[in-house]
Amino acid sequence: EDQVTQSPEALRLQEGESSSLNCSYTVSGLRGLFWYRQDPGKGPEFLFTLYSAGEEKEKERLKATLTKKESFLHITAPKPEDSATYLCAVQGFTSGSRLTFGEGTQLTVNP
Amino acid sequence: GVTQSPTHLIKTRGQQVTLRCSSQSGHNTVSWYQQALGQGPQFIFQYYRKEENGRGNFPPRFSGLQFPNDSSELNVNALELDDSALYLCASSLLPSETQYFGPGTRLLVL
Repeated sequence: EDQVTQSPEALRLQEGESSSLNCSYTVSGLRGLFWYRQDPGKGPEFLFTLYSAGEEKEKERLKATLTKKESFLHITAPKPEDSATYLCAVQGFTSGSRLTFGEGTQLTVNP
Repeated sequence: GVTQSPTHLIKTRGQQVTLRCSSQSGHNTVSWYQQALGQGPQFIFQYYRKEENGRGNFPPRFSGLQFPNDSSELNVNALELDDSALYLCASSLLPSETQYFGPGTRLLVL
C-alpha cells in the first residue's frame, strides 16, 4: 500500500525567510510524485510532477526535488501570497492510476 | 478547466445526492476524491472511456457515471454524517497522466 507522510504539519515564516517542506513516501514502483497547492475551501492547484530520483523542477519561488525516499519543496524568499496548504501525492505502478496524498503542510507567510 | 456543481449542498442522513463534474477539454479520464477537513484527499474511483478504472476503499453506496462528453457524476446513497466533506473531481488526458482538480463541492450531512 502506498503511503505519504508530510512534515511539518504547519510552518510559519516571515516574508523572505526561505525554508523547505518534506514529503516522505513508500510506493511499490513510483510512476510519479505530484505537488499541489490548496487554498482554503478550494480544489488543489497543480504545481509539479517528478518522475525519477535526481529530478528537479522550478516555478517562480518554488523548487521541487526528488530522491528515492522523499521529495522536498523548497520555497525561496516567500511572500504572503504563498500562504496555502501544500499537498504531496504519489502514483505507483501497482496501485493503478490513483493518487495517494499526504495530509499536507499548512504554510503561513507573515509580512 | 474542470468545473463542478453544485458548490455547496446540505442533506440529511439517509438521503441521496448527485454531484456533477465537467472535465477539462480533451481529457477523457475523471477521478473523484473525498477530502475531510484537515486531511488529504482520499481516492474514491476513476472513470476512463465510460468504465470504472479503479476504486478506493469506499462502500458500494458510492457510485459513478461518465458520459459520452466525458463529464461525470458521483452518486452517494443512504448518506451518513461522516460523508460530510469536500468532494473533488479531477480530469486527466489519460489515467496515468497529471490530474487537474476542480473547485470541489462542499457536502454537509445533518
